[in-house]
Amino acid sequence: QKEVEQDPGPLSVPEGAIVSLNCTYSNSAFQYFMWYRQYSRKGPELLMYTYSSGNKEDGRFTAQVDKSSKYISLFIRDSQPSDSATYLCATHTGANSKLTFGKGITLSVRP
Amino acid sequence: DAGVTQSPTHLIKTRGQHVTLRCSPISGHKSVSWYQQVLGQGPQFIFQYYEKEERGRGNFPDRFSARQFPNYSSELNVNALLLGDSALYLCASSSDRNQPQHFGDGTRLSIL
Repeated sequence: QKEVEQDPGPLSVPEGAIVSLNCTYSNSAFQYFMWYRQYSRKGPELLMYTYSSGNKEDGRFTAQVDKSSKYISLFIRDSQPSDSATYLCATHTGANSKLTFGKGITLSVRP
Repeated sequence: DAGVTQSPTHLIKTRGQHVTLRCSPISGHKSVSWYQQVLGQGPQFIFQYYEKEERGRGNFPDRFSARQFPNYSSELNVNALLLGDSALYLCASSSDRNQPQHFGDGTRLSIL
């Protein structure tokens, strides 16, 4: 079993839709949770960074962490074609900064 | 401010050769990490350096090595290249170990 599992894709939605991206993890020592967006031929770009359980909102993006069920989510409201990219969840324990990533899911937002 | 910069952007090598990849962190960042991203997968951790000392090593063979310089830039070296080393090599920097990591655009390495 991989330490971080991410819902398989690809995912295609119409412009304006609400998108829900999800990951689960197995290691209860994970304390810090991130979502990165990666465009083709680019490096991952940090979208959200959260510590422990709870919600964090930034514009159209909301990150949710439920440590009791080891479940992390990213919600995108009013999705735009420019949101079309691969989304990666990542986590680390805090003992060091070694990031453990999910496989990534490719999102396509249709105009 | 400039982000994380990596060089070269693309590299083609043949099996058995050696390669050196370079990374300059964001100004003020003292921690540099290296990741390997194979097509269709998430990045895999290779090394972390903080203040020029190795702070973590992933599950990669000894053919992979790295170092960090006094100006906090870093090099990743890979010896005896194999076809399976073909990947995007990413460098990330952070100001401290629990601070967010910011990635460069990577070096795309192709092994023929």
